[in-house]
Amino acid sequence: AQKVTQAQTEISVVEKEDVTLDCVYETRDTTYYLFWYKQPPSGELVFLIRRNSFDEQNEISGRYSWNFQKSTSSFNFTITASQVVDSAVYFCALYNQGGKLIFGQGTELSVKP
Amino acid sequence: EPEVTQTPSHQVTQMGQEVILRCVPISNHLYFYWYRQILGQKVEFLVSFYNNEISEKSEIFDDQFSVERPDGSNFTLKIRSTKLEDSAMYFCASSERTGTFSNQPQHFGDGTRLSIL
Repeated sequence: AQKVTQAQTEISVVEKEDVTLDCVYETRDTTYYLFWYKQPPSGELVFLIRRNSFDEQNEISGRYSWNFQKSTSSFNFTITASQVVDSAVYFCALYNQGGKLIFGQGTELSVKP
Repeated sequence: EPEVTQTPSHQVTQMGQEVILRCVPISNHLYFYWYRQILGQKVEFLVSFYNNEISEKSEIFDDQFSVERPDGSNFTLKIRSTKLEDSAMYFCASSERTGTFSNQPQHFGDGTRLSIL
């Protein structure tokens, strides 16, 4: 079965704190892609990152970093020095061989000033 | 940067009425998708479409739903007889290629919020 689990439903932090959003996935495919999307209050889905199953290098983009660990089937997302504008729902998603995205339940991040 | 456009941004319809949601995918993309997000819930796959045929559909995509590419630019989702539970945000997406060898993510439109009264 293909499944994405984001166990944290809501997280609340104070501005400038670091925060990590967890994502655990299940798949029998040996080749797959993992994604993170941001959904701000306006509702659109904003693509953040794509990772393929053969590339376990961690990635950093500004204040964002991603930790992909195949051994634990996890693809966690860390925001360093969070800002109010980071407040949104964040979705982790698995892209399978059929070409469809399987989303997790989402984590609602609230960053307070 | 080219983008997927969806119209209308918000659609209000009486229960039992037909509704058509419209999408203009990115022009050189060949694969098209519809996803649904009920308020406060996760985004769920509805259907994928390639070469004028449905490639895959979910259990949600029952006989009330249909998709069409009526011309070279539009991709539509029709709900024949809407129910209250069809109220959701509907996202269209497109991609240049698919399968695990694709290195392009699916590009999403901003969504159409469908409200059934």
